[in-house]
Formats: sequence, structure tokens, C-alpha cells
Amino acid sequence: DTAVSQTPKYLVTQMGNDKSIKCEQNLGHDTMYWYKQDSKKFLKIMFSYNNKELIINETVPNRFSPKSPDKAHLNLHINSLELGDSAVYFCASSLRDRPENSPLHFGNGTRLTVT
Amino acid sequence: ILNVEQSPQSLHVQEGDSTNFTCSFPSSNFYALHWYRWETAKSPKALFVMTLNGDEKKKGRISATLNTKEGYSYLYIKGSQPEDSATYLCARVNAGNNRKLIWGLGTSLAVNP
Repeated sequence: DTAVSQTPKYLVTQMGNDKSIKCEQNLGHDTMYWYKQDSKKFLKIMFSYNNKELIINETVPNRFSPKSPDKAHLNLHINSLELGDSAVYFCASSLRDRPENSPLHFGNGTRLTVT
Repeated sequence: ILNVEQSPQSLHVQEGDSTNFTCSFPSSNFYALHWYRWETAKSPKALFVMTLNGDEKKKGRISATLNTKEGYSYLYIKGSQPEDSATYLCARVNAGNNRKLIWGLGTSLAVNP
């Protein structure tokens, strides 16, 4: 059973298109995240939701809009894709108030390529 | 220290060597420290979460210590194996409402057979 699953695994699209990446976790966690792995392989937080409420919103273009229909899902919609959006995007989840036994569980990543 | 810093940036060891690397972080407003192992083309996998000063955690040949007063954590690998080759990331969790993780850039370990 996959704990954090994100789809699709690969996404190739043209500039200007709108696309979505879906993420679901079956761990019963209350907090979900979207991270972007940049060109230097560094993990950069984009958004964090706790029980469907936005709690972290880093400096991300308005073209990126997260949607959390319930605490088990956090989808990422991207409008008007640009070349610079090409990256690997990771979804993750955790239990917010249990740091002693709640690290982040990551999905396998979505490699987005914008041409 | 304003950010989470990891050293060395990369490390090459021979199979069987023991090794260690450092994660340095701001000691104020501390909540927790995470260590992750990230193999190429995979996703990060958690190794340890530590919260208390003096914490020591162990999983097989890998162990970690935490000093929250001086702001550092060590990760030790005993008898390195080729399958230990990966990037090891640490992340500091801020106290406060959003529990934000501040990530280091990682230490890339290559174990030669």
C-alpha cells in the first residue's frame, strides 16, 4: 500500500498550458505539503495545509494554486506553465503536533517538463 | 547561524569505513530536528526525528545525536556499505504555529566497494 501517492509521475507539456498534480495520503496525517526540487537539488517548500487550512504559503507565483478538498488530499494546479516551472515536485504529509514520531512521508515525485 | 548548514557537502569513503557528518542550526525557537536519507531518483525517507537536547537515536548501523543548546546534530554511519550511498538531509522544525521545516542542502555520501 502506497502511503503518499502522487500522480502523474511524469508530465510533459507546453508553455502556456494549465496542468494539475494530484496527491493523496492514507496515513491519517493532518498536514500535507508541496515541495519543489530546484535545479540545485534543493527542496523548497511551496505550500503546507493542516486539516484543509493553508498554513504555509511561500513566495510562489499566483499561477500555482493548491486545493485541499479533505485532509487526505492536496492537489496542485498550475496555470500558464512557464519553462522555469520544470522541476520535480514532491508531495509530503505528517502529523503536525507529534514531532517526536512524525517525520515527513514523501510521495515519489512528479517530474514536470515544460517545453 | 541563520540557516541550517550541513558539512561536508560531499564525502567519498571506502566500504567498511565509519563516517559522520554535521548539521548545524539556529538554537533559538527550536522544536525538532529531522534526518532523511535521499537516494538518487527516489524520494527522501525519514531516518530520525529528535526533539530533546542530548537525544540519541539508532537504526542499525546509523545513529544520530542532538545538541539543541549549541545547535548541532551528528549523523554517524558505522561500517559503510555501498547501499548507504545517498544524500543525507537534515531539517530543523521551528516552534510556532506553522511548524516550518528549514532544510539543509545535504551531505552526499558515496561508498566505494
